[in-house]
Amino acid sequence: DVKVTQSSRYLVKRTGEKVFLECVQDMDHENMFWYRQDPGLGLRLIYFSYDVKMKEKGDIPEGYSVSREKKERFSLILESASTNQTSMYLCASSYGTSGRWNEQFFGPGTRLTVL
Amino acid sequence: KQEVTQIPAALSVPEGENLVLNCSFTDSAIYNLQWFRQDPGKGLTSLLLIQSSQREQTSGRLNASLDKSSGRSTLYIAASQPGDSATYLCAVKEKAAGNKLTFGGGTRVLVKP
Repeated sequence: DVKVTQSSRYLVKRTGEKVFLECVQDMDHENMFWYRQDPGLGLRLIYFSYDVKMKEKGDIPEGYSVSREKKERFSLILESASTNQTSMYLCASSYGTSGRWNEQFFGPGTRLTVL
Repeated sequence: KQEVTQIPAALSVPEGENLVLNCSFTDSAIYNLQWFRQDPGKGLTSLLLIQSSQREQTSGRLNASLDKSSGRSTLYIAASQPGDSATYLCAVKEKAAGNKLTFGGGTRVLVKP
């Protein structure tokens, strides 16, 4: 079974703090993704990575950066957290981009509250 | 711009009844469509993935159909159980959108014992 883990289930931070959200997958997947999920807005893609050290912006990259130094790990960084970044953050991975290899598998989520 | 819609937003059925969940999308040039389940406060669990060349996929009590030309997919859950209570989301991958999935808003299902 594919396993995608996220470093924290719940996180509370203060405005202006630098926040790191970590995601690890154990299935040698090429692609990794960060989404945020908000009531009424659904899931929105923040960034994704298709290889080590490679990244592409999603729909809402402003205020976020990412890092992928190793294939299994994809980090989301909030340089200076703001209250409008309070959300559920979901990490996902997929083996490839074609056929069944495109199936995305999600982690359990991190509920971040910024005070 | 691709838009994915799931109606109704919420559904309540008695145990044992079959569930029918709808997903519609505006641009038929999709690569595949994926159905997910999400329990409250949790991540998404992949249920089924249908390639654009397929008409349906089955897994146990779950069956998903795809009609690309009309921009619709339907998830059928046979003989529903209280444990099926969750939010069900569909997402499409467009051919021109690289790795991006576009999600519907989800249908929240309650199966009453």
